[in-house]
Amino acid sequence: DIVMTQTPLSLSVTPGQPASISCKSSQSLLHSDGKTYLYWYLQKSGQSPQLLIYDVSSRFSGVPDRFSGSGSGTDFTLKISRVEAEDVGVYYCMQGTHFRTFGQGTKVEIK
Amino acid sequence: EVQLVESGGGLVQPGGSLRLSCAASGFTFTTYWVTWVRQTPGKGLEWVANIKQDGSDKYYVDSVKGRFTISRDNAKNSLYLQMNSLRAEDTAVYYCARDGFHNGIDYWGQGILVTVSS
Repeated sequence: DIVMTQTPLSLSVTPGQPASISCKSSQSLLHSDGKTYLYWYLQKSGQSPQLLIYDVSSRFSGVPDRFSGSGSGTDFTLKISRVEAEDVGVYYCMQGTHFRTFGQGTKVEIK
Repeated sequence: EVQLVESGGGLVQPGGSLRLSCAASGFTFTTYWVTWVRQTPGKGLEWVANIKQDGSDKYYVDSVKGRFTISRDNAKNSLYLQMNSLRAEDTAVYYCARDGFHNGIDYWGQGILVTVSS
């Protein structure tokens, strides 16, 4: 089974400042079709998760461009260029190369 | 607007059974995989099972194989999860979600609580 490990587990950010979350997989997420299936979700308090990023770096419909994803192989990063108050919540990475596995989550709060 | 609404949750004793349902609307149900994901405070999000558009392929996380069965009724735009031999560790909020397969899980229901306890 593929294990997804996120760091840090919590993050306190000043509004307007950048934030970065790392996600590492226990094996390469490069699929035999040549693509890499890594996704990022945000779960706000009391809500269901919402898709932010798919296929490592593509923003889902309606997601602000301050969110960006990057990485390859086993190392991936979600960056928020300028954190806003509405960005608080728990961020999860998920691999979709071999079934689905989620990271343990990173809680982002505002200072 | 894509909507997924779960029902059927509740309290069940260890060893008991429960059937979750999910009513889908706002998209062409027959063109998507659909999936169940559960969430516990201790273990976070865990993918449980998914099913292909025509029901011909189904996949499960190891911990539920042989106990849970995923199914769908395309005529009713509905997804189901039959859960048997339930254990305390199956206690979680269960989400129904649209699964674009390699496009990821893109829309989620509001979730339904299943509690396994005596």
